[in-house]
Amino acid sequence: GNSVTQMEGPVTLSEEAFLTINCTYTATGYPSLFWYVQYPGEGLQLLLKATKADDKGSNKGFEATYRKETTSFHLEKGSVQVSDSAVYFCALSGREQGGSEKLVFGKGTKLTVNP
Amino acid sequence: DSGVTQTPKHLITATGQRVTLRCSPRSGDLSVYWYQQSLDQGLQFLIQYYNGEERAKGNILERFSAQQFPDLHSELNLSSLELGDSALYFCASSARGGATNIQYFGAGTRLSVL
Repeated sequence: GNSVTQMEGPVTLSEEAFLTINCTYTATGYPSLFWYVQYPGEGLQLLLKATKADDKGSNKGFEATYRKETTSFHLEKGSVQVSDSAVYFCALSGREQGGSEKLVFGKGTKLTVNP
Repeated sequence: DSGVTQTPKHLITATGQRVTLRCSPRSGDLSVYWYQQSLDQGLQFLIQYYNGEERAKGNILERFSAQQFPDLHSELNLSSLELGDSALYFCASSARGGATNIQYFGAGTRLSVL
Protein backbone atom coordinates (compact mmCIF):
# COMPACT_ATOMS: atom_id res chain seq x y z
CA GLY A 1 0.00 0.00 0.00
CA ASN A 2 0.89 3.67 -0.03
CA SER A 3 3.40 4.94 2.51
CA VAL A 4 5.29 8.08 3.50
CA THR A 5 8.71 8.32 5.09
CA GLN A 6 9.79 11.61 6.54
CA MET A 7 12.79 12.80 8.43
CA GLU A 8 12.24 12.29 12.11
CA GLY A 9 13.21 15.01 14.47
CA PRO A 10 13.35 16.75 16.57
CA VAL A 11 14.89 19.57 14.57
CA THR A 12 16.17 22.62 16.42
CA LEU A 13 17.17 25.75 14.51
CA SER A 14 18.00 29.35 15.24
CA GLU A 15 15.77 32.10 13.89
CA GLU A 16 16.51 32.96 10.24
CA ALA A 17 18.13 29.57 9.57
CA PHE A 18 17.31 27.50 6.47
CA LEU A 19 14.92 24.59 6.94
CA THR A 20 14.66 21.34 5.03
CA ILE A 21 12.47 18.44 6.09
CA ASN A 22 12.84 15.43 3.84
CA CYS A 23 9.85 13.40 2.70
CA THR A 24 9.72 10.44 0.33
CA TYR A 25 6.76 8.34 -0.65
CA THR A 26 5.72 5.03 -2.11
CA ALA A 27 2.48 4.93 -4.06
CA THR A 28 0.83 3.41 -7.08
CA GLY A 29 -0.41 5.80 -9.69
CA TYR A 30 -0.26 9.54 -9.22
CA PRO A 31 -0.98 10.58 -5.65
CA SER A 32 -1.54 14.11 -4.39
CA LEU A 33 1.01 15.29 -1.85
CA PHE A 34 0.51 17.53 1.17
CA TRP A 35 2.31 19.13 4.07
CA TYR A 36 0.24 19.66 7.19
CA VAL A 37 1.32 21.56 10.30
CA GLN A 38 0.19 20.98 13.87
CA TYR A 39 0.75 23.74 16.40
CA PRO A 40 0.73 22.79 20.09
CA GLY A 41 -2.75 21.88 21.29
CA GLU A 42 -4.32 22.33 17.87
CA GLY A 43 -5.52 20.25 14.96
CA LEU A 44 -3.77 19.84 11.64
CA GLN A 45 -3.72 22.71 9.18
CA LEU A 46 -2.90 22.36 5.52
CA LEU A 47 0.36 24.14 4.78
CA LEU A 48 0.69 23.38 1.07
CA LYS A 49 -0.14 20.81 -1.57
CA ALA A 50 0.83 19.58 -5.02
CA THR A 51 -1.30 17.36 -7.19
CA LYS A 52 0.96 16.41 -10.09
CA ALA A 53 4.61 15.93 -10.94
CA ASP A 54 6.76 19.09 -10.97
CA ASP A 55 4.06 21.12 -9.23
CA LYS A 56 5.42 23.42 -6.55
CA GLY A 57 3.27 24.11 -3.53
CA SER A 58 4.00 27.24 -1.52
CA ASN A 59 2.56 29.09 1.44
CA LYS A 60 3.88 31.41 4.19
CA GLY A 61 7.43 31.16 2.82
CA PHE A 62 7.38 27.34 2.77
CA GLU A 63 7.85 25.46 -0.50
CA ALA A 64 7.83 21.87 -1.68
CA THR A 65 8.17 20.43 -5.19
CA TYR A 66 6.54 17.16 -6.31
CA ARG A 67 9.42 15.11 -7.72
CA LYS A 68 8.15 11.93 -9.32
CA GLU A 69 11.57 10.75 -10.43
CA THR A 70 12.84 10.70 -6.85
CA THR A 71 9.39 10.15 -5.24
CA SER A 72 10.04 13.08 -2.95
CA PHE A 73 8.28 16.16 -1.60
CA HIS A 74 10.81 17.92 0.62
CA LEU A 75 9.69 20.93 2.64
CA GLU A 76 11.91 24.03 2.62
CA LYS A 77 11.90 27.51 4.06
CA GLY A 78 14.64 30.04 3.59
CA SER A 79 14.39 31.81 6.94
CA VAL A 80 12.47 30.28 9.82
CA GLN A 81 10.81 32.23 12.62
CA VAL A 82 10.04 31.32 16.22
CA SER A 83 6.37 31.15 15.22
CA ASP A 84 7.17 28.24 12.84
CA SER A 85 7.78 25.97 15.83
CA ALA A 86 5.35 23.08 15.34
CA VAL A 87 5.10 19.50 14.15
CA TYR A 88 5.12 19.05 10.37
CA PHE A 89 3.51 16.08 8.63
CA CYS A 90 4.04 14.95 5.07
CA ALA A 91 1.04 13.12 3.63
CA LEU A 92 -0.27 11.63 0.43
CA SER A 93 -3.69 10.89 -0.92
CA GLY A 94 -4.22 8.47 -3.74
CA ARG A 95 -7.02 6.29 -4.99
CA GLU A 96 -6.43 2.92 -3.40
CA GLN A 97 -8.28 -0.34 -3.52
CA GLY A 98 -11.72 0.22 -2.09
CA GLY A 99 -11.97 3.76 -3.41
CA SER A 100 -10.81 5.68 -0.36
CA GLU A 101 -8.88 8.87 -0.75
CA LYS A 102 -7.63 8.66 2.80
CA LEU A 103 -4.51 10.56 3.82
CA VAL A 104 -1.44 8.48 4.61
CA PHE A 105 0.87 10.39 6.95
CA GLY A 106 4.53 10.32 7.80
CA LYS A 107 5.44 10.16 11.48
CA GLY A 108 5.87 13.91 11.82
CA THR A 109 8.88 16.15 12.42
CA LYS A 110 8.95 18.42 15.43
CA LEU A 111 10.59 21.76 14.69
CA THR A 112 11.75 24.12 17.41
CA VAL A 113 13.04 27.55 16.41
CA ASN A 114 15.02 29.46 19.02
CA PRO A 115 15.31 33.28 19.03
CA ASP B 1 -10.69 28.10 12.12
CA SER B 2 -11.09 25.12 9.76
CA GLY B 3 -14.88 25.06 10.00
CA VAL B 4 -14.84 21.48 11.30
CA THR B 5 -16.22 21.18 14.84
CA GLN B 6 -15.45 18.30 17.16
CA THR B 7 -16.97 17.70 20.56
CA PRO B 8 -16.02 17.14 23.26
CA LYS B 9 -12.46 18.45 23.37
CA HIS B 10 -11.49 16.14 26.18
CA LEU B 11 -12.92 12.87 27.47
CA ILE B 12 -11.77 10.98 30.52
CA THR B 13 -13.29 7.59 31.11
CA ALA B 14 -12.58 4.16 32.52
CA THR B 15 -11.70 0.86 30.89
CA GLY B 16 -14.72 -1.08 29.65
CA GLN B 17 -16.79 2.05 29.06
CA ARG B 18 -18.33 3.39 25.83
CA VAL B 19 -17.99 6.92 24.46
CA THR B 20 -19.27 8.86 21.46
CA LEU B 21 -17.24 11.48 19.63
CA ARG B 22 -19.08 13.96 17.45
CA CYS B 23 -17.98 15.79 14.32
CA SER B 24 -19.70 18.53 12.31
CA PRO B 25 -18.06 18.96 8.90
CA ARG B 26 -17.56 22.23 7.05
CA SER B 27 -20.72 23.56 5.49
CA GLY B 28 -21.31 21.79 2.19
CA ASP B 29 -18.67 19.08 2.66
CA LEU B 30 -20.01 15.61 1.93
CA SER B 31 -17.05 13.49 2.98
CA VAL B 32 -15.99 12.85 6.58
CA TYR B 33 -12.86 11.03 7.70
CA TRP B 34 -11.83 9.84 11.15
CA TYR B 35 -8.18 9.53 12.18
CA GLN B 36 -6.47 8.40 15.38
CA GLN B 37 -3.23 10.00 16.55
CA SER B 38 -1.20 8.12 19.11
CA LEU B 39 2.45 8.31 20.15
CA ASP B 40 3.31 4.81 18.98
CA GLN B 41 1.18 4.56 15.81
CA GLY B 42 1.24 8.15 14.61
CA LEU B 43 -1.73 9.35 12.54
CA GLN B 44 -3.83 6.46 11.27
CA PHE B 45 -6.93 6.50 9.12
CA LEU B 46 -9.94 4.82 10.71
CA ILE B 47 -12.95 5.25 8.45
CA GLN B 48 -14.51 7.45 5.76
CA TYR B 49 -18.11 8.36 5.03
CA TYR B 50 -19.42 10.06 1.94
CA ASN B 51 -22.91 11.55 1.90
CA GLY B 52 -24.16 9.15 4.55
CA GLU B 53 -22.58 5.98 3.20
CA GLU B 54 -19.48 4.21 4.44
CA ARG B 55 -16.81 4.58 1.76
CA ALA B 56 -13.71 2.97 3.20
CA LYS B 57 -12.33 1.41 6.35
CA GLY B 58 -8.81 1.57 7.63
CA ASN B 59 -7.31 0.21 10.82
CA ILE B 60 -10.54 0.47 12.76
CA LEU B 61 -11.11 -2.01 15.55
CA GLU B 62 -14.31 -4.07 15.71
CA ARG B 63 -15.09 -2.32 19.02
CA PHE B 64 -15.28 0.98 17.13
CA SER B 65 -18.07 2.06 14.82
CA ALA B 66 -19.15 5.22 13.10
CA GLN B 67 -22.02 6.70 11.16
CA GLN B 68 -22.87 9.81 9.18
CA PHE B 69 -26.32 11.27 9.62
CA PRO B 70 -28.61 12.95 7.04
CA ASP B 71 -27.42 16.38 8.20
CA LEU B 72 -23.88 15.10 7.43
CA HIS B 73 -22.55 15.23 10.96
CA SER B 74 -20.74 12.10 12.04
CA GLU B 75 -20.25 10.18 15.25
CA LEU B 76 -17.50 7.76 16.20
CA ASN B 77 -18.49 5.24 18.84
CA LEU B 78 -15.79 3.53 20.89
CA SER B 79 -16.83 0.67 23.16
CA SER B 80 -15.21 -1.73 25.64
CA LEU B 81 -12.47 0.83 25.99
CA GLU B 82 -8.93 -0.25 26.78
CA LEU B 83 -5.96 1.74 28.05
CA GLY B 84 -4.44 1.56 24.57
CA ASP B 85 -7.38 3.46 23.08
CA SER B 86 -6.12 6.64 24.74
CA ALA B 87 -5.30 8.95 21.85
CA LEU B 88 -6.26 12.08 19.98
CA TYR B 89 -9.11 11.46 17.54
CA PHE B 90 -9.45 13.79 14.59
CA CYS B 91 -12.28 14.31 12.19
CA ALA B 92 -11.65 15.80 8.78
CA SER B 93 -14.00 16.81 6.00
CA SER B 94 -13.64 17.47 2.30
CA ALA B 95 -15.95 18.64 -0.40
CA ARG B 96 -16.27 15.54 -2.50
CA GLY B 97 -13.69 13.06 -1.27
CA GLY B 98 -11.37 13.02 -4.26
CA ALA B 99 -7.63 12.53 -3.88
CA THR B 100 -6.92 16.14 -4.84
CA ASN B 101 -9.45 17.51 -2.39
CA ILE B 102 -8.12 19.18 0.69
CA GLN B 103 -9.13 17.61 3.97
CA TYR B 104 -9.88 20.13 6.70
CA PHE B 105 -9.27 18.95 10.24
CA GLY B 106 -11.07 19.65 13.46
CA ALA B 107 -9.19 20.41 16.68
CA GLY B 108 -9.60 16.82 17.85
CA THR B 109 -10.99 15.00 20.86
CA ARG B 110 -8.43 13.86 23.39
CA LEU B 111 -9.54 10.57 24.94
CA SER B 112 -7.96 9.37 28.15
CA VAL B 113 -8.86 5.87 29.31
CA LEU B 114 -7.91 5.27 32.94
